[in-house]
Amino acid sequence: DTAVSQTPKYLVTQMGNDKSIKCEQNLGHDTMYWYKQDSKKFLKIMFSYNNKELIINETVPNRFSPKSPDKAHLNLHINSLELGDSAVYFCASSHRQGEGGYTFGSGTRLTVV
Amino acid sequence: GEDVEQSLFLSVREGDSSVINCTYTDSSSTYLYWYKQEPGAGLQLLTYIFSNMDMKQDQRLTVLLNKKDKHLSLRIADTQTGDSAIYFCAEIPNSGGYQKVTFGIGTKLQVIP
Repeated sequence: DTAVSQTPKYLVTQMGNDKSIKCEQNLGHDTMYWYKQDSKKFLKIMFSYNNKELIINETVPNRFSPKSPDKAHLNLHINSLELGDSAVYFCASSHRQGEGGYTFGSGTRLTVV
Repeated sequence: GEDVEQSLFLSVREGDSSVINCTYTDSSSTYLYWYKQEPGAGLQLLTYIFSNMDMKQDQRLTVLLNKKDKHLSLRIADTQTGDSAIYFCAEIPNSGGYQKVTFGIGTKLQVIP
């Protein structure tokens, strides 16, 4: 009965590979997000979708492409992985306007070697 | 985040009170949040306060908001070892339309038995 679930939890891959991280929420939220947490624990928003529509698209390399097949899912695809992409990626969801706070997934630790 | 500032580290003895401070810059913020991140886990919403409130108490947690100084604090009474974690302050600016949460860099709380 996990509210926001991400898979995989850990991902180790070589430079140049393409990988995807999946996220699903069963809270009935309208809005979903991807955050990147760097080694210093700083959280930076990458993307946000509301009802499958992209609403926030921060300055992120175009190697990162989000895909939202429906409002309960927001996947993150990364092409041509680089060493600097190593981080923990968090999916989150909320009602529109963020009322009541965001609910976060447990994170995906991506290590690029 | 550049708009939300927190001290990086706090160490307290078990049983004492902890006070974690945060300053933010957007005076129009509607909601201010405290999240807890335990090692290797996602962010858990602890509590939030609406901008028209000065104080909110929830069991061992007390949130104080000083809008004039744009200062938010989280007090944890009778701190336990299980409270050891990183605590993130976050704000939602009232910029209209879709909004995104801006996180502080997080305060690492260490509870000494």
